[in-house]
Amino acid sequence: EAEVAQSPRYKITEKSQAVAFWCDPISGHATLYWYRQILGQGPELLVQFQDESVVDDSQLPKDRFSAERLKGVDSTLKIQPAELGDSAMYLCASRQIGREWGTDTQYFGPGTRLTVL
Amino acid sequence: AQSVTQLDSHVSVSEGTPVLLRCNYSSSYSPSLFWYVQHPNKGLQLLLKYTSAATLVKGINGFEAEFKKSETSFHLTKPSAHMSDAAEYFCVVSEEDGNFGNEKLTFGTGTRLTIIP
Repeated sequence: EAEVAQSPRYKITEKSQAVAFWCDPISGHATLYWYRQILGQGPELLVQFQDESVVDDSQLPKDRFSAERLKGVDSTLKIQPAELGDSAMYLCASRQIGREWGTDTQYFGPGTRLTVL
Repeated sequence: AQSVTQLDSHVSVSEGTPVLLRCNYSSSYSPSLFWYVQHPNKGLQLLLKYTSAATLVKGINGFEAEFKKSETSFHLTKPSAHMSDAAEYFCVVSEEDGNFGNEKLTFGTGTRLTIIP
């Protein structure tokens, strides 16, 4: 069964350093999402891509976060500089647009657990 | 705007007894509703989804949920709990914003299910 791949699984960094996370969606999935999940809370959307285009980055802290999906396949989320409050699980999800509304769901990767010291 | 309220942050049941995880939603449109499960340090796995077909939805691992529009509820149930059911459960509401494929998921804060041997 196809899965969303993410790496690294765990990342420890010091504040003010730069970090990057990688996501490879399920093959053929045009839509890709990055979520942030703070401990004890539900995931919150950071950015959504449709192919290589950003369709929603309203919740992305653009002063320090950036995301790209240059060829419309895999994606990278970067934080520079990292802050203590960025410690969280970063989840990637992908979705295939179906022919009928509501027939598709988002499939999530295992996430990257970021700890900022 | 859509929202989800999970009424219990923590539920404990004995192995072999029924499970009930409660969820209420608010949505401007006819929503899609989901339950996702997250085991420790793992990504999110889809349990089941409702998309305006049958109001009683059956999912994986013996879980099911009933959509009740009059009560704006989508409670998750299972007749007999198993030790492997111990995890965090998220109720999720989805809306398409008119641009087909631009789905937005809003997560509840989660319910931690503990199974007592």
